[in-house]
Amino acid sequence: AQKVTQAQTEISVVEKEDVTLDCVYETRDTTYYLFWYKQPPSGELVFLIRRNSFDEQNEISGRYSWNFQKSTSSFNFTITASQVVDSAVYFCALSESGGYQKVTFGTGTKLQVIP
Amino acid sequence: DTGVSQNPRHKITKRGQNVTFRCDPISEHNRLYWYRQTLGQGPEFLTYFQNEAQLEKSRLLSDRFSAERPKGSFSTLEIQRTEQGDSAMYLCASSPTLAGAPGELFFGEGSRLTVL
Repeated sequence: AQKVTQAQTEISVVEKEDVTLDCVYETRDTTYYLFWYKQPPSGELVFLIRRNSFDEQNEISGRYSWNFQKSTSSFNFTITASQVVDSAVYFCALSESGGYQKVTFGTGTKLQVIP
Repeated sequence: DTGVSQNPRHKITKRGQNVTFRCDPISEHNRLYWYRQTLGQGPEFLTYFQNEAQLEKSRLLSDRFSAERPKGSFSTLEIQRTEQGDSAMYLCASSPTLAGAPGELFFGEGSRLTVL
């Protein structure tokens, strides 16, 4: 069974600080996909990134970067120089290949960026 | 370009009544998902369609819940004999097929159910 754990329930940082959101996953599949989604206060979930299990290269997109380590089953998300607009709930998610590919979400980390 | 549309946005009902939610996905997406989200929790998977076929249904979904996607376009989620524990945000998402791999999920704004 697939499972995603986000141990950090809430994080507060001061604007311009860097922050890392942790994600640990469990799966028996060798092929799977990992995602991060953002849910701003307005409520609608927004896709940020998708990675497959064969691609462990870190990815950077502007102030966002993702660190995928299969050895520790982690897929962490770092925001550099945080801004108030980054305040949201962030969800890590996992989808196993094969089967019917449901996407399982973690419980989320609420990030508050204080001006 | 329209996104995923859900109706109604809010529904207040009395315990024991039936409710139905509708989801119109992005037109070219053949995958459609229903999730439930309660306050402070992540979306919980309920069910998933590939075109009109319901391919997986969560054990969370009791026999009071039924979902359909009759022509592979819009979908409905019906809850019969509602209970207070059914109060939640019901989220619909659609996704294109990318060579068999799961793609990005596009979420609607959700339908909030309050059972009194």
